[in-house]
Amino acid sequence: AQTVTQSQPEMSVQEAETVTLSCTYDTSESDYYLFWYKQPPSRQMILVIRQEAYKQQNATENRFSVNFQKAAKSFSLKISDSQLGDAAMYFCAYNEGGDKIIFGKGTRLHILP
Amino acid sequence: GAGVSQSPRYKVAKRGQDVALRCDPISGHVSLFWYQQALGQGPEFLTYFQNEAQLDKSGLPSDRFFAERPEGSVSTLKIQRTQQEDSAVYLCASAKTNQPQHFGDGTRLSIL
Repeated sequence: AQTVTQSQPEMSVQEAETVTLSCTYDTSESDYYLFWYKQPPSRQMILVIRQEAYKQQNATENRFSVNFQKAAKSFSLKISDSQLGDAAMYFCAYNEGGDKIIFGKGTRLHILP
Repeated sequence: GAGVSQSPRYKVAKRGQDVALRCDPISGHVSLFWYQQALGQGPEFLTYFQNEAQLDKSGLPSDRFFAERPEGSVSTLKIQRTQQEDSAVYLCASAKTNQPQHFGDGTRLSIL
C-alpha cells in the first residue's frame, strides 16, 4: 500500500528566510502525482504545488519549489522569502490520477516575525 | 460561489444521534470524494463517487457510515448512532476527470 511520511511535526522559520519541509513516500507504481497542500486554521485545503512523477523537472510556483527525487522517493518543499501568511499546516500527498489522495500527517509551519 | 460548499460548518450532536453532512461540488465536476480528518492528523479517504456511482467505499470505518450522490451532484454523508470517535472534520472534494481535487472548508463534527 502507498504511504506518505512527514518526519517533521513542527518547524519554525524567520520571516523572509527560506525553509524546507521534508516528505518521503512509498509506492510500487511508476506513474503518479505528488502534492503539497496548505491548510490554514480556516480548514480549507489549498493546493500549493503539484508534481507529475514522469516529469523530471522540479515544479515551481512563485516562492514555492520542490525537490523531487524519484529514485529516493523523496519530495521536499522549499519556501523562499517566508511570509507571515505562510503559517499553516502543510501536507504532503500522493495519488494516481483520478484516485483518492493519500496524505501525510502534516508539518505545522510557524513564521517568526 | 464557484467553490465546493459544505454544510453545516459546525455540527454538535449527542452520542447515539444520527447526523447528515452535505457537500455541493463545483458544477461539472464528475468526481466527488469524502475524507475524515481527526485532530492533528492528515485527512483520510472515506469514499469516492463518479457521477452517481459510488466506486470506492473502502475507507468507510463502519456500517454506520453511509454516503450517497443520487443525481450525480450534491452528496450527503450520513453517520448513524454517532460515537465519540466520530468527532473530526469531514472534508469533501470534487474534480474533473484526472484533474486536481478542489476541497471545501469542511464540517467540524463534535460528538458529546
